[in-house]
Amino acid sequence: SAVISQKPSRDICQRGTSLTIQCQVDSQVTMMFWYRQQPGQSLTLIATANQGSEATYESGFVIDKFPISRPNLTFSTLTVSNMSPEDSSIYLCSVGDRVANYGYTFGSGTRLTVV
Amino acid sequence: QQQVKQSPQSLIVQKGGISIINCAYENTAFDYFPWYQQFPGKGPALLIAIRPDVSEKKEGRFTISFNKSAKQFSLHIMDSQPGDSATYFCAATHSNYQLIWGAGTKLIIKP
Repeated sequence: SAVISQKPSRDICQRGTSLTIQCQVDSQVTMMFWYRQQPGQSLTLIATANQGSEATYESGFVIDKFPISRPNLTFSTLTVSNMSPEDSSIYLCSVGDRVANYGYTFGSGTRLTVV
Repeated sequence: QQQVKQSPQSLIVQKGGISIINCAYENTAFDYFPWYQQFPGKGPALLIAIRPDVSEKKEGRFTISFNKSAKQFSLHIMDSQPGDSATYFCAATHSNYQLIWGAGTKLIIKP
């Protein structure tokens, strides 16, 4: 399965600022996703990162708040913009490969604290 | 109809015992049912998965039982060990590849 490097692993940020999270995969993958997970909770899909086009956002998430880039089949970024304490969470990158039969792989996550 | 309901929310099992976590779904279009294991500070890791054309899949101490007519599937962990203590998530998906997640079960194995 693919190996994902997600950076940073954690950060403490001031409210009103922005943080960009990077997701690098060691092989080309069809699908890349960004999730949010509150401690002790399940995963919530933010968006599907589409290579060469705008990301597809889930209900409750908008591009102005969570801009996503995916310039190629191995890399994506998620920016959390104009942060507030409510954005404090764990953000996870995930990749899927149809050839690998739905084998979704996750990065270790970015633990974000907004103060 | 897109929900996956998971129970129990938490589970305590003695070392050597059997841990059982259950999930139920409504959408009959789902065709892939994975279980993920997550340790604190880590992302979820695929543990085992099943398709609806089989009723059971076993990998080592981990078994998925699948009941298509009841729209239920469960994870059984045999001979549970303290190292199995983690949060377990069931999920389901179909052709749009988007995973629908259960709420998670925090499993504690007591030595």
